[in-house]
Amino acid sequence: QKEVEQDPGPLSVPEGAIVSLNCTYSNSAFQYFMWYRQYSRKGPELLMYTYSSGNKEDGRFTAQVDKSSKYISLFIRDSQPSDSATYLCAITGSARQLTFGSGTQLTVLP
Amino acid sequence: DTEVTQTPKHLVMGMTNKKSLKCEQHMGHRAMYWYKQKAKKPPELMFVYSYEKLSINESVPSRFSPECPNSSLLNLHLHALQPEDSALYLCASSQDPERDEQYFGPGTRLTVT
Repeated sequence: QKEVEQDPGPLSVPEGAIVSLNCTYSNSAFQYFMWYRQYSRKGPELLMYTYSSGNKEDGRFTAQVDKSSKYISLFIRDSQPSDSATYLCAITGSARQLTFGSGTQLTVLP
Repeated sequence: DTEVTQTPKHLVMGMTNKKSLKCEQHMGHRAMYWYKQKAKKPPELMFVYSYEKLSINESVPSRFSPECPNSSLLNLHLHALQPEDSALYLCASSQDPERDEQYFGPGTRLTVT
C-alpha cells in the first residue's frame, strides 16, 4: 500500500463546475498537507498549505483536511479552462520530506 | 517573490558527455532540493542541501553529483548518464529544512541519447 493514494484520473469537467480532488494517506504521523498544481512541462506550483483539520480557503480554492479519516481534498469552484493541469497532493511528517500522491490530471472544457 | 530559476530549460547529451544543471533562488531560503520527475509520475527526491551542506542523498547513482557553492546556488553535475536518466529535473527551495512549503523551479528537461 502506498503511503499516499490519489486517483490519477483523468478528470474532465465543464467550465464553471465544482471540482473535487482527493487523497488518502496511511501514516498518522503525517501532519502537514499541501496541494501543488503542475502545468504540462512546467514545475509544480504551490497552491495550498495547511496543517490542521478543517477547511482553508483561498479564492476559488478550498483545502479540506480530515485527520481522523486520513483524507484530504481540494475543491475548485467556478472551474476555468486555465485550471487544466495535474494536481498533486503532498504530505509531510516530522522528517519534512514531501510524500507526493500520483497526481490527478484535470481538464476543464470551455 | 517565490521564484526559483533553472538553466538550461532543455538539455540533450550523449552518454559520454559531462554537463551541469544550475538552480538559483534569491529568497534567502536555506534548504534546497533536487528532484527527478518522469512522465506522468510525481517528483522523486534525489538530494537535500540544508544550510549549504548535503543532508540527504536518496541512494542516487554517483553519475549524479550535487554541489551547493553558496546559499543561493545549487548545481547538479552529470556524467556518463544512461538513456533511462532522461526526465524533468526539478530544483526546489524552502525557507529552512524545518519548513514544509517547497517552491519549485520550472525544471530542466534532460534527454540522454
